[in-house]
Amino acid sequence: GENVEQHPSTLSVQEGDSAVIKCTYSDSASNYFPWYKQELGKGPQLIIDIRSNVGEKKDQRIAVTLNKTAKHFSLHITETQPEDSAVYFCAASRNNFNKFYFGSGTKLNVKP
Amino acid sequence: DSGVTQTPKHLITATGQRVTLRCSPRSGDLSVYWYQQSLDQGLQFLIQYYNGEERAKGNILERFSAQQFPDLHSELNLSSLELGDSALYFCASSVGQGGNEQFFGPGTRLTVL
Repeated sequence: GENVEQHPSTLSVQEGDSAVIKCTYSDSASNYFPWYKQELGKGPQLIIDIRSNVGEKKDQRIAVTLNKTAKHFSLHITETQPEDSAVYFCAASRNNFNKFYFGSGTKLNVKP
Repeated sequence: DSGVTQTPKHLITATGQRVTLRCSPRSGDLSVYWYQQSLDQGLQFLIQYYNGEERAKGNILERFSAQQFPDLHSELNLSSLELGDSALYFCASSVGQGGNEQFFGPGTRLTVL
């Protein structure tokens, strides 16, 4: 089965700096890669996703890049704000499969 | 608010007991997924139902079972509870069978004493 590894496990940045979280996956057939943000006491919320037919996707301060050859994808948050503080999870799945394989999570702390 | 509802929000019970967690998917979504999140752990996929039928199984223990009813709400039954079953249980829903965005509910926090 798929194995998704995520790092770092914790990340502390100063407000206004950029944050980068990286994930690797093992199943070359995986083709859908969502990123979720989980705030304390809440369920995960999708913030951005990418499919394997594109290499990069942006949404305001958030971007995701995908390198299919190396089987890794990354989340980039620019101009971080205190409200970005949360746990971020990456995941991978195949288009026709029903299982999401999640990374172990990154706790991001943005210091004001 | 994702549109997915879960009840109860908190559940405290004793070892050996049986509990039922309930999930209502977003309007129009046919798939329901159950996940377990233990302390400082990632999300572990348990099971998926699509339009009333089981579609995929993950690391679900034999003591756990689930079902999806005709109105598409789902229940996760946990029996012979052990201390290690204490965790957050999330339900998610999606419109299709797979490869679609999953919307997560707020979770049920289960504490087994």
